[in-house]
Formats: sequence, C-alpha cells, structure tokens
Amino acid sequence: DAKTTQPPSMDCAEGRAANLPCNHSTISGNEYVYWYRQIHSQGPQYIIHGLKNNETNEMASLIITEDRKSSTLILPHATLRDTAVYYCIVLNAGNNRKLIWGLGTSLAVNP
Amino acid sequence: NAGVMQNPRHLVRRRGQEARLRCSPMKGHSHVYWYRQLPEEGLKFMVYLQKENIIDESGMPKERFSAEFPKEGPSILRIQQVVRGDSAAYFCASSPRTGDNTEAFFGQGTRLTVV
Repeated sequence: DAKTTQPPSMDCAEGRAANLPCNHSTISGNEYVYWYRQIHSQGPQYIIHGLKNNETNEMASLIITEDRKSSTLILPHATLRDTAVYYCIVLNAGNNRKLIWGLGTSLAVNP
Repeated sequence: NAGVMQNPRHLVRRRGQEARLRCSPMKGHSHVYWYRQLPEEGLKFMVYLQKENIIDESGMPKERFSAEFPKEGPSILRIQQVVRGDSAAYFCASSPRTGDNTEAFFGQGTRLTVV
C-alpha cells in the first residue's frame, strides 16, 4: 500500500472550513483514499473515501487531484466536536483491506 | 443495527495472567480486523479473520497472542501471560466483504492495563 504524508497538526476556527491535506505520491491505479478520524482515543470513525472523483457526504468532502498524488479532506463548517486526529489511508482492496495507519493530523478547532 | 461491540471496555490484568478481548461485528459482517494502539501512536494492524478462518495474521506477535472468529459468537483476541508492554487499546473493526468500495466500522476498543 502507498504511504501517506500528513501535517502533524492544524488549527481551525469554529465555523470555518477545515482543509486537511494528504500526500500519496506513490498511489497506484487500484488504490482508494480513505479518511478516518479518532476523537480522544475513541474508536476510529469512518469519514469518506474515493478513487479518483471528488466525493461528498454529510460529514465532509474529498478532493482528489487529477494525478491522484494528493487529496484534501474538507470539513465545511468545523465545530468543536470535530477536534480529533484525522487519518488519510491509501488502501489496496486486494491486500486483505488491512488499514496501514500513519500518525495523522491532529486538528484543533478553536472557539 | 447495533455497531461493532467490544467488551470489556477496560481490562486490568496482572503480569502473567490471560486477557480475553471480545468483538461482536455489525450484523451481516463476516470480516473482522483487530488493531492495537499504543499510547501516542497510530493503530497497528494485528490480524484479519473471516468466519472460522484466519486470513492474515502478519501483524500479530508469534507468541502469546491468538485470535479466533468462530461460526457462532464473537471474535476473541487472547493474550496469554500478559506483560506490561501489552498495555494498549485494542480495536476491532468489521466489514461486510472485501470489495473495493466498502469501509470498515470500528468498535470503541478495549483498554488493557497490565499491572
């Protein structure tokens, strides 16, 4: 599975959009980009995933560059409850779907 | 539809005792994954099971650790003769299949403390 690189920490003002970047320059054609978050040592929570098209759901939007070497998770109106560690993971479905976790980005949403 | 259920949420064991961690996957999910998270670190894959089969145990220590997912009942992660270094949060995840477009759902974890 391709390795991902994320900034270790970010800050965001409450009510503003939070844009979390992820680099995955070695991603291959059949690998998906998944985002999870972990709030204060709770179980990881699935957010969104995509292959090459941009995706949106009730939680977030995922923007994947045309060359697929990077992506951005967008939380459109961050709230204090969005404070968490956000993990970007590249997954090859053929590899038994085990998730390889990095250290993620610790997002602090400030009032 | 209940989520992934793990119990106990907290477990304290003395060195040398056995720890049994249980995971009931979401209804309809036949794939279970176990991960371990040490303090201030990311999750590390341990083992992937389907009903009655271990598919990938490449992340599990060769000694003292075992996992099963029987035909009936929850998946069990068993740690024999626990040591202080086993203290961690253990998370279970389940998914319905291994298709490209499915996500795994996680339980709230079992926090094991070895004293």
